[in-house]
Amino acid sequence: AQRVTQPEKLLSVFKGAPVELKCNYSYSGSPELFWYVQYSRQRLQLLLRHISRESIKGFTADLNKGETSFHLKKPFAQEEDSAMYYCALKDYGQNFVFGPGTRLSVLP
Amino acid sequence: NAGVTQTPKFRVLKTGQSMTLLCAQDMNHEYMYWYRQDPGMGLRLIHYSVGEGTTAKGEVPDGYNVSRLKKQNFLLGLESAAPSQTSVYFCASSYSGSGDSDTQYFGPGTRLTVL
Repeated sequence: AQRVTQPEKLLSVFKGAPVELKCNYSYSGSPELFWYVQYSRQRLQLLLRHISRESIKGFTADLNKGETSFHLKKPFAQEEDSAMYYCALKDYGQNFVFGPGTRLSVLP
Repeated sequence: NAGVTQTPKFRVLKTGQSMTLLCAQDMNHEYMYWYRQDPGMGLRLIHYSVGEGTTAKGEVPDGYNVSRLKKQNFLLGLESAAPSQTSVYFCASSYSGSGDSDTQYFGPGTRLTVL
């Protein structure tokens, strides 16, 4: 069965420091991968998807099929980046599998 | 636009009771989803619908039933609630299931406790 793992429950960095949120997946086919984010008192929302290969709010994520990873990176973290981040995989159908999430705390 | 709304926001049930959670969206989305989230775990898909009158099972469908009689509404039913169904339930919708149109828009969640 497909799985998504996010090894860090909590990640704390100082403002201006680089940040990397790890995501690994197990899936036998060609997955579609996403990062969703939930800011305090807001709803879960899409941050970015691997297909688009775009940068959103300074965040990028590269799909590494060899390492089955989809890590989220930002070179200079901002306090407003503090949130809960979920990596998600969509399989052959409409089955979305979410990781357990990583809480990012950006310290001043 | 209200987006995706969920009713109720909170509910406490006794074991064996039944209830229905309502999800409504005003974005004319075809696809709708029900997830549950338990502490320390990611969202798990319960059921989903790819259009009015259609439903399909997700990862954890047992103990739940769903209906999509109207395009804008997706109902999640618990016929006989069990303590294991204590969770936070999220509804989501998307325009379609492919390309950029599969972006899911989430509701605020319903916190359900089964005693």
